[in-house]
Amino acid sequence: GENVEQHPSTLSVQEGDSAVIKCTYSDSASNYFPWYKQELGKGPQLIIDIRSNVGEKKDQRIAVTLNKTAKHFSLHITETQPEDSAVYFCAASMDTGRRALTFGSGTRLQVQP
Amino acid sequence: GAVVSQHPSRVICKSGTSVKIECRSLDFQATTMFWYRQFPKQSLMLMATSNEGSKATYEQGVEKDKFLINHASLTLSTLTVTSAHPEDSSFYICSAPPGGPVYGYTFGSGTRLTVV
Repeated sequence: GENVEQHPSTLSVQEGDSAVIKCTYSDSASNYFPWYKQELGKGPQLIIDIRSNVGEKKDQRIAVTLNKTAKHFSLHITETQPEDSAVYFCAASMDTGRRALTFGSGTRLQVQP
Repeated sequence: GAVVSQHPSRVICKSGTSVKIECRSLDFQATTMFWYRQFPKQSLMLMATSNEGSKATYEQGVEKDKFLINHASLTLSTLTVTSAHPEDSSFYICSAPPGGPVYGYTFGSGTRLTVV
């Protein structure tokens, strides 16, 4: 099955700096790559996703890049704010319907004011 | 947008008792529901997949007799933790896959189970 690795496990940045989280996946058949933000005691919240027919996607301060050849994708957060502090998970799926997502191990992001 | 309502959000039960967790899809039909378990400071691990009108499929290492899953209708899937023990204490989350007008996977808000 699919295996998703995520780095780093913790990341501390100063407010206003950028944060980058990287993930690799093992199954070349995976074609959907979402990123989730999870706050303590809550379910994961989708922040951005990308499909394999696209190399990059941006939504305001958040962007995701995908390298299908290398089988890795990254989350980029610019101009970080204290409210960005949370745990972020990447995930991958073979398709967008029948299969469950496989999650990375998570990154705890702390934005220092 | 699509919403999965999960209840209860928190439950404390005594060791040996059973607990039922419900996930309801609002405004859409979920023929499939994924159930995840998340231990503190760990990732979401898939436990099982429920399909409306058929038996659930369980991931390797998940006891099907302990974690009973029922998907009796297109809008309701339930997970019952039977004879709960302290090691079953965890955060349980359901998720409906995308389909039709639903974009992306929809997650419930999670259930914090504490077995004492």
